Amino acid sequence: SSELTQDPAVSVALGQTVRITCQGDSLRSYYASWYQQKPGQAPVLVIYGKNNRPSGIPDRFSGSSSGNTASLTITGAQAEDEADYYCNSRDSSGNHHYVFGTGTKVTVL
Amino acid sequence: QVQLVQSGAEVKKPGASVKVSCKASGYTFTSYYMHWVRQAPGQGLEWMGIINPSGGSTSYAQKFQGRVTMTRDTSTSTVYMELSSLRSEDTAVYYCARAISNRTTKYYYMDVWGKGTTVTVSS
Repeated sequence: SSELTQDPAVSVALGQTVRITCQGDSLRSYYASWYQQKPGQAPVLVIYGKNNRPSGIPDRFSGSSSGNTASLTITGAQAEDEADYYCNSRDSSGNHHYVFGTGTKVTVL
Repeated sequence: QVQLVQSGAEVKKPGASVKVSCKASGYTFTSYYMHWVRQAPGQGLEWMGIINPSGGSTSYAQKFQGRVTMTRDTSTSTVYMELSSLRSEDTAVYYCARAISNRTTKYYYMDVWGKGTTVTVSS
């Protein structure tokens, strides 16, 4: 089955830009979706498809993809953006399976 | 509005089974697949499987094959996830999440999540 790899942790100064990456073979076939999870809460969808934000997600969140790598960028990070972020994609092995990335802890300094 | 309401916390002994429910409202239940995802304490998200509420077809992660059963009741717009032969490693929060799938755009994502059900496996 597929795997999606993320950096375990990144930090960003308040108001600066941070990019989180997600690597895996399935991303050559399918777009990643990105989820924000704060302690004790359910995940929340922040980016899906080529670069789409659900209603209510600030436009400082954006997504991109190239080859086997998907990226989530937070431009002008706010204190409330401190959270764990997970990528997810459909498995490219032909079955109807999905896979999550390993997760990235974003700390806003 | 779209809502997924999950059943309450469970405490089970090793070897037992647990059945978690997820009641959907605010949309046509049979029009969207449903995922099940779990998260062990301090760990990441883990995809368990998916069910088509329309026909009941399922696809399970290999790790859970033989131990997990996902079902649905269209009369109550509820999906269920049953996990058997529980062990301590199954202690986790279990989430249901509505699936959005578009083969044309290749957009696959989970747009609405339940609040989660805590399952504790302990002797």
